[in-house]
Amino acid sequence: KNQVEQSPQSLIILEGKNCTLQCNYTVSPFSNLRWYKQDTGRGPVSLTIMTFSENTKSNGRYTATLDADTKQSSLHITASQLSDSASYICVVSAGTGANNLFFGTGTRLTVIP
Amino acid sequence: DTAVSQTPKYLVTQMGNDKSIKCEQNLGHDTMYWYKQDSKKFLKIMFSYNNKELIINETVPNRFSPKSPDKAHLNLHINSLELGDSAVYFCASSQDRMVGLGEQFFGPGTRLTVL
Repeated sequence: KNQVEQSPQSLIILEGKNCTLQCNYTVSPFSNLRWYKQDTGRGPVSLTIMTFSENTKSNGRYTATLDADTKQSSLHITASQLSDSASYICVVSAGTGANNLFFGTGTRLTVIP
Repeated sequence: DTAVSQTPKYLVTQMGNDKSIKCEQNLGHDTMYWYKQDSKKFLKIMFSYNNKELIINETVPNRFSPKSPDKAHLNLHINSLELGDSAVYFCASSQDRMVGLGEQFFGPGTRLTVL
């Protein structure tokens, strides 16, 4: 069964600290993996997209890693800011087609001063 | 200058009514989508529409129907609304003709409440 699981479900960290969010998937075949940031009351915004051959990809203070062998991805946030408070959603594509997109339930990150 | 826009932002209606949500993208993208996000924040794709090809998630009730007057618009029409339809609906678009390959750009969402 194709699934995407994220952990932790929620996380609270102090401003300035680093954190890592996890995404494990059982989707097969694998096409790409995306991380989205969703602010409260807004639509998701893409952070990174990684294909099978990419191990890491950065977008500012966000760095995503992918281990296609173990089917795991992580999103590392460096020097967190209050504006990083949001839900982070991992999405895995099994190829083309709307029925081939599998969504995680997200990690709710709260950054406190 | 908004890339993907939706109207209305909030929609409150009675059970049994028919309603529509409009979506427009000015990015020149080829593919548009509708998503439903439930109270647990789980995103679920409902439809994708590309070059007049509609791909439907088989779990979506046929009370939901997307309508695309042109490449820049994909509206969502819902018949006989039910309590369980209450959710936030997101429209999205992507450049790729092949659904699932490229980056998707999301609209701000429409919060639908069925009473």
